[in-house]
Amino acid sequence: KAGVTQTPRYLIKTRGQQVTLSCSPISGHRSVSWYQQTPGQGLQFLFEYFSETQRNKGNFPGRFSGRQFSNSRSEMNVSTLELGDSALYLCASSLNLAADTQYFGPGTRLTVL
Amino acid sequence: QKEVEQDPGPLSVPEGAIVSLNCTYSNSAFQYFMWYRQYSRKGPELLMYTYSSGNKEDGRFTAQVDKSSKYISLFIRDSQPSDSATYLCAMTFNQGGKLIFGQGTELSVKP
Repeated sequence: KAGVTQTPRYLIKTRGQQVTLSCSPISGHRSVSWYQQTPGQGLQFLFEYFSETQRNKGNFPGRFSGRQFSNSRSEMNVSTLELGDSALYLCASSLNLAADTQYFGPGTRLTVL
Repeated sequence: QKEVEQDPGPLSVPEGAIVSLNCTYSNSAFQYFMWYRQYSRKGPELLMYTYSSGNKEDGRFTAQVDKSSKYISLFIRDSQPSDSATYLCAMTFNQGGKLIFGQGTELSVKP
């Protein structure tokens, strides 16, 4: 069974631009969570989607948004990029909301210049 | 103060050593505790999953949870160079959902 895939793997943007990252969960998984990983703050929860609905949200500004499609694939969008948004963005999928295991993808490395 | 504290290391040990990794946390409502391993340029991979207090063993890995002390540990026996990675503790209130991570400990096992 294929794992969680994320595209693109690397991205370079400039301040003020916006970016869309994509995540395809493991086949059959319906819950997708997004995390931001930086050297200073570590791994921080962004949001969680299940059945196309956002079920949980972390403490990030409104510039960070996401959505989930009917096939469980998910996208996250960051508008008006800031230098501090440079990070590894990780997507994790699980079978459902109460699943005990979240499987992480390899991440998208975003660099904001 | 962070909800979950983890010594970032780096920690360097010789091959075959016993490694002890630890996290402390402040919120007594956490019920589920996990250890993830993250190799460079990869996503985190779940190693151990524990509910509430107690021990769990899987091969060379043992996870311990002491809820009374708000302290969790991961022990690696007979450490190998392939164990060199960053180890992240994580915890959550309910099964599934938002994970709260420690900062991660960078481990290097020297041959």
